[in-house]
Amino acid sequence: DAKTTQPTSMDCAEGRAANLPCNHSTISGNEYVYWYRQIHSQGPQYIIHGLKNNETNEMASLIITEDRKSSTLILPHATLRDTAVYYCIDFSGYQKVTFGIGTKLQVIP
Amino acid sequence: GAVVSQHPSRVICKSGTSVKIECRSLDFQATTMFWYRQFPKQSLMLMATSNEGSKATYEQGVEKDKFLINHASLTLSTLTVTSAHPEDSSFYICSAQRGAGRLQEQYFGPGTRLTVT
Repeated sequence: DAKTTQPTSMDCAEGRAANLPCNHSTISGNEYVYWYRQIHSQGPQYIIHGLKNNETNEMASLIITEDRKSSTLILPHATLRDTAVYYCIDFSGYQKVTFGIGTKLQVIP
Repeated sequence: GAVVSQHPSRVICKSGTSVKIECRSLDFQATTMFWYRQFPKQSLMLMATSNEGSKATYEQGVEKDKFLINHASLTLSTLTVTSAHPEDSSFYICSAQRGAGRLQEQYFGPGTRLTVT
């Protein structure tokens, strides 16, 4: 079973920021927070990851709370092409990857 | 970023036949490859882990005699679904690990849609 919990679905207006939350209630000290997304009928795509500090790349920003029990993925200006299922994953490199159900983000024109 | 391909992208076969799916890492050598299965509206489920030159490690509940995995080289792994049945219809996704340990170095293929009639 997945270790993280996410809302099942979210809507976001095109051009607005999409904020996707994730709870990491059992994350351990050596586990990183990873975010992936899966566009319909495609393989998962890596977005971003972090350990403690907030991270930003060309795709998104990642906010991790100080206790690391929750994180938020931010897509600053959502486009229709961002419609996908978003997965947050706790991973340390020493175990198999477990995908949860993820959050189905629908970007609305 | 690194590229992983799968062939075919979709296949329809008759019940009782076997189907082979190829997974290739196009621009790097993969120490490990993984096979996942995804049923409609469900998440990816790991089926097996494959290391070049050795036998695959299957997850609990996955029949190794039904899902044959051959990892013959550092750039190619194949999954053969033997004696396919309609319940094997699913989206099969492979991933290839470049280096060790870092999930961002695990690159996913585009998936293969298998339909068994």
